[in-house]
Amino acid sequence: GENVEQHPSTLSVQEGDSAVIKCTYSDSASNYFPWYKQELGKRPQLIIDIRSNVGEKKDQRIAVTLNKTAKHFSLHITETQPEDSAVYFCAASPPGGGSQGNLIFGKGTKLSVKP
Amino acid sequence: KAGVTQTPRYLIKTRGQQVTLSCSPISGHRSVSWYQQTPGQGLQFLFEYFSETQRNKGNFPGRFSGRQFSNSRSEMNVSTLELGDSALYLCASSLFTPGEQYFGPGTRLTVT
Repeated sequence: GENVEQHPSTLSVQEGDSAVIKCTYSDSASNYFPWYKQELGKRPQLIIDIRSNVGEKKDQRIAVTLNKTAKHFSLHITETQPEDSAVYFCAASPPGGGSQGNLIFGKGTKLSVKP
Repeated sequence: KAGVTQTPRYLIKTRGQQVTLSCSPISGHRSVSWYQQTPGQGLQFLFEYFSETQRNKGNFPGRFSGRQFSNSRSEMNVSTLELGDSALYLCASSLFTPGEQYFGPGTRLTVT
């Protein structure tokens, strides 16, 4: 089945710096890769996603890149702000679902942005 | 559109009891997935329902079950609660798969 690994598990940056979170996946058939942000005590919120036919997608300060050959994708946050502090989860969607479901999540990265 | 809602938001139960959690998806979404979130294990998939049919099931014991109604609302049930069932239970709805899943606020279950 699909396996998603996420690094680093914690990340601390200064306000204004960039943050990069990386994920690798094992099933080359996976074709959809969302990123979720979960603030303390709140629900995970979809912040950006990318499909396998696209190499990069950007939305204001957030971008995601996908390398299908290497089977990894990354979240890039530029000009970080304290409100970016949260746990970020990547996920991969293999076709068919099965016992793993439609989305297989990484373990999460706790991002802390220091003012 | 209203977002995904879950009730109740908090529950405290004792070992051996059973519990039922409810999830109302975004209007028009027919797929509902359930996840268990714990600090050590992250988000673990429980099951997915689509048009009242269980489409996928995770590796959880049979004490965990669910169902979906004709209006797409879904319930999950946990029988014979164990201390290890204490977790945040999240449901997520989507219009199609693979596609965007939108999460509810979760039900925080504490088993004592």
